[in-house]
Amino acid sequence: AQTVTQSQPEMSVQEAETVTLSCTYDTSESDYYLFWYKQPPSRQMILVIRQEAYKQQNATENRFSVNFQKAAKSFSLKISDSQLGDAAMYFCAYRSANTGNQFYFGTGTSLTVIP
Amino acid sequence: EPEVTQTPSHQVTQMGQEVILRCVPISNHLYFYWYRQILGQKVEFLVSFYNNEISEKSEIFDDQFSVERPDGSNFTLKIRSTKLEDSAMYFCASSGTRSNTEAFFGQGTRLTVV
Repeated sequence: AQTVTQSQPEMSVQEAETVTLSCTYDTSESDYYLFWYKQPPSRQMILVIRQEAYKQQNATENRFSVNFQKAAKSFSLKISDSQLGDAAMYFCAYRSANTGNQFYFGTGTSLTVIP
Repeated sequence: EPEVTQTPSHQVTQMGQEVILRCVPISNHLYFYWYRQILGQKVEFLVSFYNNEISEKSEIFDDQFSVERPDGSNFTLKIRSTKLEDSAMYFCASSGTRSNTEAFFGQGTRLTVV
């Protein structure tokens, strides 16, 4: 099975600053999709950003962008101009394009935004 | 905007009792999932459901668990004889026809087994 690793259990950032959350994954497949989900205190999982593995261009969604390094199997999330509402648990997730359809999640990174 | 809805938001049950967690996925989605998250831990896959049958299940999804899509709109998770360690947040999710689509999650059902 694929594994997703988030090596930073907790991170903090000053409001308006930039923070990068790390994610690595292990797979033998070449075709897959990667996601970052946000889980605020309300506990609902909300999609932040998505990256197709076949695309070389890094995905961007407003203040959120990724650094996708396919060879290194790395998928980090950069949050620019951090806001208080960004405080949440962030999960990295992997989904195969071919075999099965489940999402594999990392253990999460708890992000604190300091006013 | 379409969303996945789950009921109840919180369920308290006695050990050994049966519980049914309910979900209404997004209407045109074809893949349905149950995940659980024990407090402070990672989100764990339980089962996926496609074309009216289980397509994948994890080791956690043993004989005490079952899923059903009884009427084409609801998607239920039944736990036959609950154990203390079943206490967790249970998330239902659905996704569309293509594998590059994200899963949309419900707000979760917090199950407490006492």
